[in-house]
Amino acid sequence: SQTIHQWPATLVQPVGSPLSLECTVEGTSNPNLYWYRQAAGRGLQLLFYSVGIGQISSEVPQNLSASRPQDRQFILSSKKLLLSDSGFYLCAWSEGTPGNEQFFGPGTRLTVL
Amino acid sequence: SQKIEQNSEALNIQEGKTATLTCNYTNYSPAYLQWYRQDPGRGPVFLLLIRENEKEKRKERLKVTFDTTLKQSLFHITASQPADSATYLCALDENYGQNFVFGPGTRLSVLP
Repeated sequence: SQTIHQWPATLVQPVGSPLSLECTVEGTSNPNLYWYRQAAGRGLQLLFYSVGIGQISSEVPQNLSASRPQDRQFILSSKKLLLSDSGFYLCAWSEGTPGNEQFFGPGTRLTVL
Repeated sequence: SQKIEQNSEALNIQEGKTATLTCNYTNYSPAYLQWYRQDPGRGPVFLLLIRENEKEKRKERLKVTFDTTLKQSLFHITASQPADSATYLCALDENYGQNFVFGPGTRLSVLP
């Protein structure tokens, strides 16, 4: 069966520090991968999605970047965090077939101070 | 891009009643519409998918309808239980189903 891992679960970082969040998927090949952010009491905002290694689409201009160095690995990064980067970050995967359900990871709670 | 509204931020109902949640969109009708459940501090969990050519979908106590004329989907939970208390999100596809746009969610509380 498929599983999705995210780490760390929680993170407190000072403004201006770098960020690296990692997501890995097991039990599937060539998944679509997604990064979302959810601010407190708000809906999910799609940040990046990827349909293959090295292929990244960005949905909103921002202080963040994403990379997919391996088929089942998706990394979210920042060189200098802003206060507004605080939130709940969720990684998700889906099969490549259009319309398929997304499977979400446990999330990372990021607080930028 | 799509603007998605979900009927109310919070909905309280009595145990045993039917909960009805609304998802309205403003632009093009999506090919796929999904509903998810999210518990506090957790990632969303997929519940149901309905396609543009389907009027209704059922799964156990859950029912979803899709009206492309009204640009609306309704999500029903019959015989609601306190364990159904959670936030429910609708999601509409973009880019031919490669990614989805999520609504803000409705927080449902089922009172015993």
